Amino acid sequence: NAGVMQNPRHLVRRRGQEARLRCSPMKGHSHVYWYRQLPEEGLKFMVYLQKENIIDESGMPKERFSAEFPKEGPSILRIQQVVRGDSAAYFCASSPPVRSSYNEQFFGPGTRLTVL
Amino acid sequence: AQRVTQPEKLLSVFKGAPVELKCNYSYSGSPELFWYVQYSRQRLQLLLRHISRESIKGFTADLNKGETSFHLKKPFAQEEDSAMYYCAQASGNTGKLIFGQGTTLQVKP
Repeated sequence: NAGVMQNPRHLVRRRGQEARLRCSPMKGHSHVYWYRQLPEEGLKFMVYLQKENIIDESGMPKERFSAEFPKEGPSILRIQQVVRGDSAAYFCASSPPVRSSYNEQFFGPGTRLTVL
Repeated sequence: AQRVTQPEKLLSVFKGAPVELKCNYSYSGSPELFWYVQYSRQRLQLLLRHISRESIKGFTADLNKGETSFHLKKPFAQEEDSAMYYCAQASGNTGKLIFGQGTTLQVKP
C-alpha cells in the first residue's frame, strides 16, 4: 500500500491563477480530510469529504476555494484566483470507511503552494 | 470554539534527559486526543491516542481532565526522537482534527 499520495509536491502560481491540488487516499479508504498549514502555524482543518459528498466544509474560506471527491479518481482541492496569502502547505489525510473519531488519519506528504 | 495549545515552540534537551511536551485543550466533555509526530523529511504520523493508553517508542501521555492537559512524556530522550510533535483533538462527529501549533523537540548528543 503506497499510502496517501499527493501531487504535485510543489506548486508555484502567480497571483490570479488557479491551483489544483490532488489527493489519492490509501487503498480502501473512502474518507478524505484536507488541512492547511500557514507558515509558523499548526495544521488547520479545511474540509471533510466522502465519495461524491462534502460532509463538513466549515474550515473552507467562503470564496475561491472548493473541493471534490468524485466516484472515480483523486480528491481535488481547487483554489481560484490565488493570492499571496494562499501560500501554505496543504495536507490531505484519509481514513477507513467505518467512521469513528478514533480512526487513525493517514497523512500525505503535502503540497507546498507558493504564490508569486 | 475548541482549541489545542502547545505553549513551547522549541524544546531542546540532552540525550538521556526526561522530556515533557505540553498540551492543553479547551473542551468540557470527554475529549478524544492524539499526538502526531513528523520526523525530518517524513510525513505526519500518529504516535499515540489517549483512548489506547499505550506506550509507543517509550512515550506516554496521560489525560488530566482537571487540568485539561494531555502532556507527552518520555523518561530518557534519544537522538532519534528529534522531530516535530503535534497534539490534536478530534472535533464533533466527523473526526476532523484540531491541531496545536506544534513543538520541535531537539535532542542533543
